[in-house]
Formats: sequence, structure tokens, C-alpha cells
Amino acid sequence: DAGITQSPRHKVTETGTPVTLRCHQTENHRYMYWYRQDPGHGLRLIHYSYGVKDTDKGEVSDGYSVSRSKTEDFLLTLESATSSQTSVYFCAISDTRYEQYFGPGTRLTVT
Amino acid sequence: GEDVEQSLFLSVREGDSSVINCTYTDSSSTYLYWYKQEPGAGLQLLTYIFSNMDMKQDQRLTVLLNKKDKHLSLRIADTQTGDSAIYFCAENSGSSNTGKLIFGQGTTLQVKP
Repeated sequence: DAGITQSPRHKVTETGTPVTLRCHQTENHRYMYWYRQDPGHGLRLIHYSYGVKDTDKGEVSDGYSVSRSKTEDFLLTLESATSSQTSVYFCAISDTRYEQYFGPGTRLTVT
Repeated sequence: GEDVEQSLFLSVREGDSSVINCTYTDSSSTYLYWYKQEPGAGLQLLTYIFSNMDMKQDQRLTVLLNKKDKHLSLRIADTQTGDSAIYFCAENSGSSNTGKLIFGQGTTLQVKP
């Protein structure tokens, strides 16, 4: 998986609790992305980063925030989890913007 | 807005060729991609094609691009049971410089022995 790890790999949490997902890379790639995967929707971009402390919103960013204080780590936070955020979350990295490599995913269930 | 459409399911016999189709709307896309996802795993980049190309071949994989019709296809020759997976078509959002990808819903390929 191109030197990308995601943690945790599985999480069950209750509605209203904060959750942070971590993406860690060892490739020193500049660009990092968070996607969510839901049946019938493919993957949709939540947020992305084009450098340390440089982030921007994707198409489904409501309810999510991100931070990137180091090149290797990109954190996705759900401030107050809702059932609609039950999904599989994938992190991706890219050096050139033209080839993205994906992590193994985090399965999040919000009860 | 940008959109990518794929058929949801394809079933073939082992040894046959598989053709997975995709249509997209963003004519400014510079790259188009095919990803493979096996059960419980992340997405694996299979191949991609630059928008000024018509065809790209990589071993058993052939990608055809018809820019006029905004149609992309992936042909897998001599399909094997190990090719059973979900295949995603994606385009990079040509309107931005950040490498954002727009994905189709995915085509589930079932290979029968």
C-alpha cells in the first residue's frame, strides 16, 4: 500500500462523540486526501492537503475537519459523529497529483 | 457538475475477455484512471491514460479513450478468477490543480470458473 497506514482500522462509536482517524505515510509525498466510500456512491472526497498546514475542502466536507502539522500525518476529525458518517474512510497520497495511492481504509460505525 | 458513470455489474467466464465501460462529463480532465478494489482492501491503481491518448496497453489490460464521446473502457484479456473485484473509473478534476479525483460508483466483476 505504498507506505500508507491508517488507524484505527475499525471503530465503533456513539452518536455525538468526537472521532479522529489518522493517516500516516512514509513516502514523503506532498499531497494527501481523505475519501469516504459508501454503496452506490463510489468514493467521494472529504478534504485534501497540498502541504503542511495547507488544506482545503472536498465535495462532502460538512461535519469533518482535518489537520496536517507534519508531512507524514493527515488527521480527519468528526467533531460530533452522526449515523450518516458511518462509512469506510480511505486516505490517499500523491507526489505528482496525477497518481494517487490508497491506504487500507478505516471502517467506522456510528451507533 | 462533474460526474462519472459506470454499469454496476459484469459477469464473465474464466478465459473470456471483460470490458468495463465508463462515461464522464468533465471535458477538461487531463487523466483518467482505473482502480481495482478487492474485498476488504483499499484501492489499487491499475492503470491510467492521459487525455491526449486513444489507447494504452499494459499486459492483459487495454484502456480505450474516446474523448469525443467522453467514454473510457477497460478490457481485461484472458480474465482469471483473481480478477474478480470492484473496478472504479476516475477522472482528475480538470478545473483544479490539486489532483482531486471524481470516481464512478464501481463495477463489480464476477468471474465464473
